[in-house]
Amino acid sequence: NAGVTQTPKFRVLKTGQSMTLLCAQDMNHEYMYWYRQDPGMGLRLIHYSVGEGTTAKGEVPDGYNVSRLKKQNFLLGLESAAPSQTSVYFCASTKRQGMNTEAFFGQGTRLTVV
Amino acid sequence: QQQVKQSPQSLIVQKGGIPIINCAYENTAFDYFPWYQQFPGKGPALLIAIRPDVSEKKEGRFTISFNKSAKQFSLHIMDSQPGDSATYFCAASRDNDMRFGAGTRLTVKP
Repeated sequence: NAGVTQTPKFRVLKTGQSMTLLCAQDMNHEYMYWYRQDPGMGLRLIHYSVGEGTTAKGEVPDGYNVSRLKKQNFLLGLESAAPSQTSVYFCASTKRQGMNTEAFFGQGTRLTVV
Repeated sequence: QQQVKQSPQSLIVQKGGIPIINCAYENTAFDYFPWYQQFPGKGPALLIAIRPDVSEKKEGRFTISFNKSAKQFSLHIMDSQPGDSATYFCAASRDNDMRFGAGTRLTVKP
C-alpha cells in the first residue's frame, strides 16, 4: 500500500519556467492538500480540495494553481516560477473532512528556483 | 503572523531524558491539536493528537499536556531514545485550516 506518492522528488527550475507537481493517493481519501515547508516556518497550506472537481485557497495560494480531475490525484502547478517558491512541497490526504483527523503526507518534492 | 508558536527550535538530550516541546496558539476556534514527527527526507507523520475537552493524553512514551485557558500545549517524551531524533511539529486546526508551528529539531544522544 503506497499511501501518498509525490512526483518528482527533486526539481531545479529557472525563473519563469513552469512545472506541475503530481500527488497520488491510493487510500480512497476524499480530501487532499498541498503544503510548502520552509525553514523556521513550519508547513503552510497552499490549496486544498474537498472532492473531485473542487479546489479552494489556503494560507499562501499566490503563484500556484491546482486541479483535482480525478479523486486520487491532486496537481499543483507553478505557471511562472520565482525564487521565492524555492521550498519543499508536501501533499497530504485525509479520510474525513478537514485536518481534524489523521493526515497522511507524501515524502515531499524539493524544488529549487534559480 | 504565526498563529502557532513553538519552542525551542532545537533540543539535545541524553538517552533516557525527558524532552519537552511547547506550543502556544492564538485562535480559540481551533479544536484539534496534533503533533507530527518528521524524519529527514520523509513527510510528517501523525504522532499523537488531543482535543480541547481533555487536559492530557498519553500514548506509549508520548504525552500531550493541554491548558485551554492558557492556550498552550506541550509534548513530553518519556525515556527518550536515539530513534526519537527527528523534527517535531505541533499544529492546531479547525476544519480544513491547520496551522503548524515552526518545528523543533530533537537530538537524543546515546
